[in-house]
Amino acid sequence: AQSVTQLGSHVSVSEGALVLLRCNYSSSVPPYLFWYVQYPNQGLQLLLKYTSAATLVKGINGFEAEFKKSETSFHLTKPSAHMSDAAEYFCALEDSGAGSYQLTFGKGTKLSVIP
Amino acid sequence: DTGVSQNPRHKITKRGQNVTFRCDPISEHNRLYWYRQTLGQGPEFLTYFQNEAQLEKSRLLSDRFSAERPKGSFSTLEIQRTEQGDSAMYLCASSLPNEQFFGPGTRLTVL
Repeated sequence: AQSVTQLGSHVSVSEGALVLLRCNYSSSVPPYLFWYVQYPNQGLQLLLKYTSAATLVKGINGFEAEFKKSETSFHLTKPSAHMSDAAEYFCALEDSGAGSYQLTFGKGTKLSVIP
Repeated sequence: DTGVSQNPRHKITKRGQNVTFRCDPISEHNRLYWYRQTLGQGPEFLTYFQNEAQLEKSRLLSDRFSAERPKGSFSTLEIQRTEQGDSAMYLCASSLPNEQFFGPGTRLTVL
C-alpha cells in the first residue's frame, strides 16, 4: 500500500530564513508527487508537482522540491520565508498505475513564520 | 470564476439528520473526486467519478453516504442519519490528468 509521511506536524521559521518541509513516500510503482498549500478555511492549492520529468521541480511563490528516488523523498524548500507563507502544507502521492488517480495525502505540516 | 465551487460552505446539523452537499466542477473536467478532512489530518479519498459513472469508493464511505453525478456535471454527496463522527471538512476536486483542482470545501458540524 502506498503512503506519505510528513516529518514534523509544526515547523517555525524566522522571516527570511530557509523553509524546509520534509516528505517521504512509499509506493510500489513510480509515483507522481505533489505539494499543496491550505490556508485556514480554504481548499487546497497546488504548489508544484513531479510527474517523472525533471527531478527538481519549481512551483509557485518561490517554492521548489527535489524528487530523490534513492531516499524516497520529495522535500519542499524555499530560500527565504515570507509572512504570507504561513499555512498548512500537504504532500500527496498519486498512484500512476491506479485507474482512479486518487491522491494519498500526508498528515500535513503547519508552517509558522516569525517576524 | 471558473474554479471548483461547493455549497454550502458551512453546515450545522443535529445528529440523525440528513445533509446534502453540492460540488460544481470546472466545466471541461470529466473526473470528480470527494475527500474528507478531519482536524489535524490530510484529506482522505472517499469516491471518484468519471463523467457520470462512480468508478471507485473508499471503505470510508459507509452505507449512510451516497454520491451522485447526474449527466456528468455537478455532484452531490448525501449523508443520512448523521453522526458526530461525520463532523469534518468535505472537499471536492475536479481533475485534468495529473492535477486535481480543489474547491473551498463544506465544513460539517454534527451536534
